[in-house]
Amino acid sequence: GAGVSQSPSNKVTEKGKDVELRCDPISGHTALYWYRQRLGQGLEFLIYFQGNSAPDKSGLPSDRFSAERTGESVSTLTIQRTQQEDSAVYLCASSRLAGPADTQYFGPGTRLTVL
Amino acid sequence: AQSVTQLGSHVSVSEGALVLLRCNYSSSVPPYLFWYVQYPNQGLQLLLKYTTGATLVKGINGFEAEFKKSETSFHLTKPSAHMSDAAEYFCAVSESGGYNKLIFGAGTRLAVHP
Repeated sequence: GAGVSQSPSNKVTEKGKDVELRCDPISGHTALYWYRQRLGQGLEFLIYFQGNSAPDKSGLPSDRFSAERTGESVSTLTIQRTQQEDSAVYLCASSRLAGPADTQYFGPGTRLTVL
Repeated sequence: AQSVTQLGSHVSVSEGALVLLRCNYSSSVPPYLFWYVQYPNQGLQLLLKYTTGATLVKGINGFEAEFKKSETSFHLTKPSAHMSDAAEYFCAVSESGGYNKLIFGAGTRLAVHP
């Protein structure tokens, strides 16, 4: 069956440009998460969506970061005025439900390089 | 606040040897604990998880982990390493009573040599 997909797989951009990353969750999964993985570090929570509830944006590092999700479908993560410290792999995950024990299924990630 | 510590950013073992990857956590409420594996150029894959019940959890590919509340640990083991186990392993925790916001350790890269 189809897993979580993300696009693009790689993105190289110049400092100051805006980028948009896309995540397609597993069909029927109500919860969607974005994480960031910097080189040599663990994953860092960014934002969480659950159905039509207000998202938890507590992990977004600055107001240059924003994300949207329409219903239980595709999500986009937008980074405005990119900086070199934004270079990382951005991972999306989805889970069928949003409980603390529910398994999250991860996509392959988008590797963002800011020159 | 929750945190996860993985001792040893790099672990190297011989093929056939015991694999032991250490994970300690801090949590103010009963935790749920996860181990994920990341193979080169692939996404994270769940190895196993502890929610409630039996403290010894068996996962895929012959891995298992034991939840020890008194030691706040959830170490990952495999009796006999295989070359295909070479990957990066992440321990993560979420808190009961909330949603599944995972807090990850920094990861341990496992190398298996002949």
